[in-house]
Amino acid sequence: KAGVTQTPRYLIKTRGQQVTLSCSPISGHRSVSWYQQTPGQGLQFLFEYFSETQRNKGNFPGRFSGRQFSNSRSEMNVSTLELGDSALYLCASSPGAGGNYEQYFGPGTRLTVT
Amino acid sequence: GQQLNQSPQSMFIQEGEDVSMNCTSSSIFNTWLWYKQDPGEGPVLLIALYKAGELTSNGRLTAQFGITRKDSFLNISASIPSDVGIYFCAGGNAGNNRKLIWGLGTSLAVNP
Repeated sequence: KAGVTQTPRYLIKTRGQQVTLSCSPISGHRSVSWYQQTPGQGLQFLFEYFSETQRNKGNFPGRFSGRQFSNSRSEMNVSTLELGDSALYLCASSPGAGGNYEQYFGPGTRLTVT
Repeated sequence: GQQLNQSPQSMFIQEGEDVSMNCTSSSIFNTWLWYKQDPGEGPVLLIALYKAGELTSNGRLTAQFGITRKDSFLNISASIPSDVGIYFCAGGNAGNNRKLIWGLGTSLAVNP
């Protein structure tokens, strides 16, 4: 089974621009979660989508948004980029239902805002 | 947001030593998960625990689901240089809308 893929792997943007990151989950998984990780900060939860609906949301400003398509692929968008948005953005794929809570991560997208 | 108490925050050990780390919470969880993250990569699932008191091994790694359901432990035996990385714990509970709660990680360094 193919793992979780994220594109692009690296991105450099200028403050004020917007960016869209993409995540393809493991085949059959219906849940995609997004996390922001900065050095020494652990995994900060952004949001989770399950069957095209946002099921959970973290404490991030409205500049951060996401969506999920009918094939479970997900995108997240950050508008009006700030220097502090520079981070590793990780998506995680999960079955999303039943007793299995396991999440499987992609390699991440490294975003640098200058 | 809610976080698990993960300790120690960092460890520096000699190759061959055993390692122990733990996560505690004020809330009860139905699932405990342990991950390892290498620099610049996504975390990789090491062990999943689903039953209070459960003890599960994965090679040199052993994890336990605390009997109170409020804590979990990860042990690494006979550490090797490739064990270097950050180890995260996560707790899951249907009552939390299936959202995982994460620890801040334990950074492990191994001196060859």
